[in-house]
Amino acid sequence: QSGLTQPPSASGTPGQRVTISCSGSSSGLGTNSVNWYQQLPGTAPKLLIYSTNQRPSGVPDRFSGSKSGTSASLAISGLQSEDEADYYCAAWDDSLNGVVFGGGTKLTVL
Amino acid sequence: EVQLVESGGDLAQPGASLRLSCAASGLTFSSYWMHWVRQAPGKGLVWVSRINNDGGTTTYADSVKGRFTISRDNAKNTLYLQMNSLRVEDTAVYYCVRWPDVWGQGTTVTVSS
Repeated sequence: QSGLTQPPSASGTPGQRVTISCSGSSSGLGTNSVNWYQQLPGTAPKLLIYSTNQRPSGVPDRFSGSKSGTSASLAISGLQSEDEADYYCAAWDDSLNGVVFGGGTKLTVL
Repeated sequence: EVQLVESGGDLAQPGASLRLSCAASGLTFSSYWMHWVRQAPGKGLVWVSRINNDGGTTTYADSVKGRFTISRDNAKNTLYLQMNSLRVEDTAVYYCVRWPDVWGQGTTVTVSS
């Protein structure tokens, strides 16, 4: 099952704005919405963004999502040390008839 | 509070079978599609399977098709994953997910001789 493509790593300093990209196919991101997850070491993933740009209750508005064509982005503004984690994008793919995930991006706060 | 608790993970030999369970509480279980997602040690998330609210529709990743079976018992608020013909590459933490927002803590499956 072919997945979504994310950069393996990203970094920023406290207070900075960082973006993480996610690219896919026409039958995946090109057609369906994207979800973003944050995973801290040793814990289950936590939903950060759903339906491309919606934040669940309790997620700070420092986190935002967008999509254009077959690419999506997660933006984190006002970077904080506790944002250091792995981030994953996910979307349904109509051709594969399944959910595809990105390989994950490890965010380091310098 | 909505909660999903997985169990059944264990050490198994290649070719063996295991059944994972996921007990749901704090939600109307029968209203939701449910998914299994796995994560091999040090690797990313991989979708495994999904089932619709009444159990009549199931979908699988190609890597597990024909070996794994997802099912549910709405009377018991429980999701299952029957895993047959296990392979070393099935070694992972398996998460039960009320897609997309509620994840269990995961149960560990290790396949090794």
